[in-house]
Amino acid sequence: GESVGLHLPTLSVQEGDNSIINCAYSNSASDYFIWYKQESGKGPQFIIDIRSNMDKRQGQRVTVLLNKTVKHLSLQIAATQPGDSAVYFCAEKGASGSRLTFGEGTQLTVNP
Amino acid sequence: DTGVSQNPRHKITKRGQNVTFRCDPISEHNRLYWYRQTLGQGPEFLTYFQNEAQLEKSRLLSDRFSAERPKGSFSTLEIQRTEQGDSAMYLCASSLALPPKNEQFFGPGTRLTVL
Repeated sequence: GESVGLHLPTLSVQEGDNSIINCAYSNSASDYFIWYKQESGKGPQFIIDIRSNMDKRQGQRVTVLLNKTVKHLSLQIAATQPGDSAVYFCAEKGASGSRLTFGEGTQLTVNP
Repeated sequence: DTGVSQNPRHKITKRGQNVTFRCDPISEHNRLYWYRQTLGQGPEFLTYFQNEAQLEKSRLLSDRFSAERPKGSFSTLEIQRTEQGDSAMYLCASSLALPPKNEQFFGPGTRLTVL
């Protein structure tokens, strides 16, 4: 079945360092992937997305990389700031549906 | 604020009571989704609408759950005869129907506690 999982449930970095959060997915038919940030008590906040016809997409301080060969997705955050501390989820969508399937999340802690 | 809004933000109820939550999507979005999130887990899909039509329902959506979107704008999610296992954050999201701009934007959620 479809599943999306994350490596490393927690990640702790120093302020100013770059962060890399990883995600593995199992559905080779997935055609759309999203990274969300969720702060305590709030709904998930859209960060960046990527379609399966792309390998890399960049936003402001964030980059998403997609490796379809090994079904791996990563989120890179440059110059991590304390405000980046949150739980990060990857989510995938199959080509035939609209539902998102989420992984379990990685708790990112940024130390000042 | 033009984002997705949800009401109430918190709801405490006793087991066996009925509860109803409301979601107001981003105004130009024709798709509306409901998800449920328990502590430490990612959101789980419940159901979604395109305009007024409910197009997909998850197996998680038992017969005690019903969702409506009568005019294709706001939506309500009702849980009848609540159980303690229904305690969770109920999230609503909205999107446009067609790519490339069909990313889902989430509201702040309604946290339900069933005593």
